[in-house]
Amino acid sequence: LAKTTQPISMDSYEGQEVNITCSHNNIATNDYITWYQQFPSQGPRFIIQGYKTKVTNEVASLFIPADRKSSTLSLPRVSLSDTAVYYCLVGGTDKLIFGTGTRLQVFP
Amino acid sequence: DAGVTQSPTHLIKTRGQQVTLRCSPKSGHDTVSWYQQALGQGPQFIFQYYEEEERQRGNFPDRFSGHQFPNYSSELNVNALLLGDSALYLCASSLAQGRGVYNQPQHFGDGTRLSIL
Repeated sequence: LAKTTQPISMDSYEGQEVNITCSHNNIATNDYITWYQQFPSQGPRFIIQGYKTKVTNEVASLFIPADRKSSTLSLPRVSLSDTAVYYCLVGGTDKLIFGTGTRLQVFP
Repeated sequence: DAGVTQSPTHLIKTRGQQVTLRCSPKSGHDTVSWYQQALGQGPQFIFQYYEEEERQRGNFPDRFSGHQFPNYSSELNVNALLLGDSALYLCASSLAQGRGVYNQPQHFGDGTRLSIL
């Protein structure tokens, strides 16, 4: 599975838009890009998944350029409750390989 | 619609003991995966079960074994516990690929916190 690279941490303030970029230079043709959110002492929660271009759901948007070597998770108007670790994964949905994720801290 | 449920939520064992963790998948799912998450790290894949058989395995020793039952629920067994086995153990369920279903995301439970003394 493709290795991903994300920033270790990010800070933001309530109400701002947060964009977390993930690099995955070795993504395979059949790989999807999936983002999970994890709070302390809880399991990861599925946020969004995409293959190319843009995907949007009720909580986030996922932007994927044409070469698919990176992706950006966009969280609109974050709140304190969005403070969590965000993981970017590429591949199929069988064996998920997690990195260390991006620790997002939202301040009031 | 019940999500993935795991039991127990917390467990304390001593070195050398054996432990069994349990998982019930999300309704409609037939595939169960297990992950180990050490403090401050991302989850690490242990193995995956489908049709009551282990179909994939990560880099974990044979002390880690599992089982899947006909109702799709699953157990993770760890023998000869070591201090380094202290972690959050996560179960994830999904629908097997094929049969018109592709790239369905895995859904995780909230895990079992295992502490080894």
